[in-house]
Amino acid sequence: ETVLTQSPGTLSLSPGERATLSCRVSQSVSSSYLAWYQQKPGQAPRLLIYGASRRATGIPDRFSGSGSGTDFTLTISRLEPEDFAVYFCQQYGSSPRLTFGGGTKVEIK
Amino acid sequence: QVQLQESGPGLVKPSETLSLTCTVFGGSISTYYWSWIRQPPGKGLEWIGYIYYSGSTNYNPSLKSRVTMSIDASKNQFSLKLSSVTAADTAIYYCARDGGSSVYPYVDYWGQGTLVTVSS
Repeated sequence: ETVLTQSPGTLSLSPGERATLSCRVSQSVSSSYLAWYQQKPGQAPRLLIYGASRRATGIPDRFSGSGSGTDFTLTISRLEPEDFAVYFCQQYGSSPRLTFGGGTKVEIK
Repeated sequence: QVQLQESGPGLVKPSETLSLTCTVFGGSISTYYWSWIRQPPGKGLEWIGYIYYSGSTNYNPSLKSRVTMSIDASKNQFSLKLSSVTAADTAIYYCARDGGSSVYPYVDYWGQGTLVTVSS
């Protein structure tokens, strides 16, 4: 089974700062199959990035994704107050078909 | 705009079967894959499985022996049954749509989630 390890577990930053979130995959995955989601308290996750670097509809351009193989990154260029949330990476594999990382919480410093 | 809504009991007794239904509004269920994903309170996400409108299924091996999914296209609904539940199955259960394409798959629509507690 493929394991997705996200780091750090918690990121404490101020509005306006840059956030860099890491997702390491235990075995190489096609970039096409790597996605990122944002989840706020009491809400379902929301798709941010698919195909490792493609922004979903309506997602601001301060969100960007990059990476390949086993190392992927989600970057938020300048944190807005509404960006403080938990972020999950997710990959499509063989079995199980979908696997999620443990999440990174971006909190206000 | 596609919307999904979960329904079912919020409390299930240990050893019994958890049953949830997801109704899809604003779009046909007769395409895409339809997933169930759960999240224990304060924890991460776990994919349970998905079903295609044809009825074909793919389950997480960790839950496969206890999971059954079905689909009713006439009602635009799909369902989850999880048998022999324990306290470890207490979670928010989300239904969701696997959108995108075979080249760029992703989960694009989610229900609001329903908390199911396993307790006597």
